[in-house]
Amino acid sequence: DAGITQSPRHKVTETGTPVTLRCHQTENHRYMYWYRQDPGHGLRLIHYSYGVKDTDKGEVSDGYSVSRSKTEDFLLTLESATSSQTSVYFCAISEGRGLEGYNEQFFGPGTRLTVL
Amino acid sequence: EDQVTQSPEALRLQEGESSSLNCSYTVSGLRGLFWYRQDPGKGPEFLFTLYSAGEEKEKERLKATLTKKESFLHITAPKPEDSATYLCAVDNYGQNFVFGPGTRLSVLP
Repeated sequence: DAGITQSPRHKVTETGTPVTLRCHQTENHRYMYWYRQDPGHGLRLIHYSYGVKDTDKGEVSDGYSVSRSKTEDFLLTLESATSSQTSVYFCAISEGRGLEGYNEQFFGPGTRLTVL
Repeated sequence: EDQVTQSPEALRLQEGESSSLNCSYTVSGLRGLFWYRQDPGKGPEFLFTLYSAGEEKEKERLKATLTKKESFLHITAPKPEDSATYLCAVDNYGQNFVFGPGTRLSVLP
């Protein structure tokens, strides 16, 4: 298994509170991703990082921000959580993008977030 | 808009009853197609990457194939431990993968 951990694994919070999810990898992979998974929508990309301090938006980035100060850590922050952000969040990593054999994304165990 | 669909949505098989799952895609370009397995409460687990039409990959009871418009995941003589949701995803040269909704497979003993 790829060395990816996510914390916390479960969280219940209230609308309007800030929430930070952490992804930690021990593989030294360059790329890191945050996805959310909802019934009927599949996995959707929120933000991704292609290096320390290098990040970009995905298809569902509104209401989320990210930071990557070290290769191994990628943080996802919900500045003011809303009920529509109740979801399961997955972190993924890959060695590269665009090169055969380096594209595969490996996923963490997920964080179940409930916003009341 | 690039799309990935999977069929059937759910499939129930008896142990030993072989079948196939389908992943159809409509994309502007295909750099690679990926299959994942996801168990309840866990993250997707990488299975295969396919890069060009005609390519095949095998792992135990699973074989993935690719054509210009779709991919099949063939499951030969499945066992109950093969029960999971199987996801396919396409790398369309964009910023991210496009994931299908998955096929939920149940293998009954």
